[in-house]
Amino acid sequence: KQEVTQIPAALSVPEGENLVLNCSFTDSAIYNLQWFRQDPGKGLTSLLLIQSSQREQTSGRLNASLDKSSGRSTLYIAASQPGDSATYLCAVGDRGKLIFGQGTELSVKP
Amino acid sequence: DGGITQSPKYLFRKEGQNVTLSCEQNLNHDAMYWYRQDPGQGLRLIYYSQIVNDFQKGDIAEGYSVSREKKESFPLTVTSAQKNPTAFYLCASRIQGDYIQYFGAGTRLSVL
Repeated sequence: KQEVTQIPAALSVPEGENLVLNCSFTDSAIYNLQWFRQDPGKGLTSLLLIQSSQREQTSGRLNASLDKSSGRSTLYIAASQPGDSATYLCAVGDRGKLIFGQGTELSVKP
Repeated sequence: DGGITQSPKYLFRKEGQNVTLSCEQNLNHDAMYWYRQDPGQGLRLIYYSQIVNDFQKGDIAEGYSVSREKKESFPLTVTSAQKNPTAFYLCASRIQGDYIQYFGAGTRLSVL
């Protein structure tokens, strides 16, 4: 059974710092991996999707990488801003379904 | 505006009561999903539906029921058999051939 883990559960950084969020999964037979952002009490917004055949995807200050063989994905956020404060969730795609990690709560201090 | 609408935003359930959460989408998406989110546990899949009049159980379907009579609607009923219903419930949808799921704003259910 696929299990997805995100460490750390919470992270606090000063504004301007580059940071990396980690996601690991137990079964490398995945269709894709997605990163989402969730603001408090809100729904999820898709940030990046990496297909199983891809190694990375970029959108603005965000870069997500995927290493299926080691069961890992990272989300790199460059030059962090207070507006980046939110919970970030990764999810592994399996035949139309998503299996989520627990999320990392990010706080960027001004 | 195109999107996914969940209602109500807050819902309270009494002991032994069934309650229904609404999820409507006007994106013409084929598949719809219901997730439950508890603090520190991420999202867990309750039910999903790939087409009208068909749905499958997710990982935590016990105590819940759904219907998919229309493409745009996928209501979730939390039955009295669900003994710990307090959680944040999220509905999502996607179009066939696209892996990205789009989420509603959620319904927070509490027990009185």
